[in-house]
This record gives sequence, C-alpha cells and structure tokens, in this order.
Amino acid sequence: QSALTQPASVSGSPGQSITISCAGTSSDVGAYNFVSWYQQHPGKAPKLLVFDVSNRPSGVSHRFSGSKSRNTASLTISGLQTEDEADYYCSSYAGIDTPFVFGTGTKVTVL
Amino acid sequence: EVQLVESGGGLVQPGQSLRLSCTASGFIFGDYYVNWVRQAPGKGLEWVGFLRRKTYRGTAEYAASVKGRFTISRDDSKSIGYLQMNSLKSEDTAVYYCTRLDYGRNYFDGWGQGTPVTVSS
Repeated sequence: QSALTQPASVSGSPGQSITISCAGTSSDVGAYNFVSWYQQHPGKAPKLLVFDVSNRPSGVSHRFSGSKSRNTASLTISGLQTEDEADYYCSSYAGIDTPFVFGTGTKVTVL
Repeated sequence: EVQLVESGGGLVQPGQSLRLSCTASGFIFGDYYVNWVRQAPGKGLEWVGFLRRKTYRGTAEYAASVKGRFTISRDDSKSIGYLQMNSLKSEDTAVYYCTRLDYGRNYFDGWGQGTPVTVSS
C-alpha cells in the first residue's frame, strides 16, 4: 500500500484560505468515506482535525473543513492564522490487509 | 481527559529487541484498540499496527514493514499497551506514538507524546 500523495508545501497570508489535497486510489480514499486529517506542530504529537471526510471533533475550529471527490480528499483552512503553521497529514482506511495509510505530509507556511 | 504516555524507547543495536509501553488514562482502556504509529526523523507518519479489544477477537493487524518482527499486546487490568520489537533494523529508527482507536472508527482521536527509538551500531 503506497502513501497518499500530498503537496510538500502550501503557503498563504493571514486571513486567506488554503486547500491541501490528498490523492489516493480507488482502493483507499475512493473506496471509503474514512479520510481523516491531522495537524502536527514541530516536536509535538499529531492532533485530529477532521474524521470521516468532513466531521470535526469537538474543540476543533470551524476554520478547518474537509471534503472528498472520487480518489482525492481535501482539507481547507479558512481565515489562515499564524498558529496554523504546521505539518498536515491525511489518512485513509484502506481495507483489511493494510487498514491505514497516511499521506506524505504538507508543510503549511503562513507568510 | 484522554491521556496516553509512551515509554521504553532508546538506543539499540541492529538485530536487538526493545519493548515499548503505552500507559492510558481518562477512558476505559479495554474498550479500545491498542494502536501504534511511527515517524522516522524528518519523515511522515506510518501506521505500524493495532490490537483489537478482547471482546472483538483480540487479534492484531500489522504493516507489511513490521509483520513477523513486531507484536502488540495489552494488559487491560493495568491499562497498558505494549509494542514488542524484535530483529530491529536501522529503518525502524523513529518516534513511536501510541494512539487511541475505537472499534468501528477509522481515525486516531488521542495521541501520546511519543517515545524515540534509535537503531544503530
């Protein structure tokens, strides 16, 4: 099972919106509505931002939203803030043999 | 509050073994899977494996890269999960995270702070 493909970096100015893509296949992202997104600040553990494509856990800002179209999932950050500068990873359920696969990760820079 | 605390990491030589522990609190440990994710230095996240809860077969699944070398176990009476790592290779060098995974869910809603493992001669 190969890692999901994300852009290495995405940047934006404060207040802008950015979108991070997560490209998979018909065996993972395209097959299940089980895409999740994680935020990781340097030296810290990842934190769940979005689950099941578009659901947010309690306590996560509404500025983070997820979506999916066929084999590609996306995370949009609206009203970009300096504290959003971090690495972001997508993950998808991929079936019984290899249940979970992560994306390659995207570094978000706030200009 | 969900808390997961990993321990047991360190420096080992190739071919040696190491056992990591994950001590949980703030939830009923036995109702959840024991799941491990790792992150090599400067790299992305990699799923390692999980152990189902005992009331749902109690069986485990592993990533191909560790299958046959790593074993996940649990002691529900102590709320501790374990990752036994044998025949370690340099490519196993990573920070190992214990995460919470619920039955029927496909996301990790709680993470420990991680414990570093370095495999080097």
